Amino acid sequence: TQLLEQSPQFLSIQEGENLTVYCNSSSVFSSLQWYRQEPGEGPVLLVTVVTGGEVKKLKRLTFQFGDARKDSSLHITAAQTGDTGLYLCASSLNAGNMLTFGGGTRLMVKP
Amino acid sequence: NAGVTQTPKFQVLKTGQSMTLQCAQDMNHEYMSWYRQDPGMGLRLIHYSVGAGITDQGEVPNGYNVSRSTTEDFPLRLLSAAPSQTSVYFCASSFSGRSSYEQYFGPGTRLTVT
Repeated sequence: TQLLEQSPQFLSIQEGENLTVYCNSSSVFSSLQWYRQEPGEGPVLLVTVVTGGEVKKLKRLTFQFGDARKDSSLHITAAQTGDTGLYLCASSLNAGNMLTFGGGTRLMVKP
Repeated sequence: NAGVTQTPKFQVLKTGQSMTLQCAQDMNHEYMSWYRQDPGMGLRLIHYSVGAGITDQGEVPNGYNVSRSTTEDFPLRLLSAAPSQTSVYFCASSFSGRSSYEQYFGPGTRLTVT
């Protein structure tokens, strides 16, 4: 059972469209990370959110942390083909140093 | 800096064989971890280490051993390979403290067990 649920699992859109992907848990996050993974490579950290209600922007990517720190979203404006990849959220839901990952959203942006 | 390096990139094993996946980092990170990635499962933690000489089990440790004799290296040993261990394996490292969850990943090792 995934402690972190990501939706949708798959998303295929045209270049220029906007999209939002979600990461949810029944537990409270101490902090939450978003990673992007391209085929054949390891995940790369995009952002960490810590404070409930926090919004962070990274160029065309906007990350939001829910007020109750149980959910997060990633919004991409005017998607480009270079945004194609697997988007993973991760958090330390358990005590100690164990990082838990969601199942990911696989995004394909078509030209 | 090379970051996190992993070898080999690809490996095919027969059931029952043993092997070691190598991982090294040159960022002087205290924390190192091993994950496996299977379709639709995200990444699952196998073992991790918070410093040289200290290791602990993650979510899916059975069938794997680790040791950490230096800060830089964190090898993962498969004792007797099984088809269920077919996966992509990632090594990651991070600083300790509040940044410990911001991990740097290697390029992965794709393992097939027949």
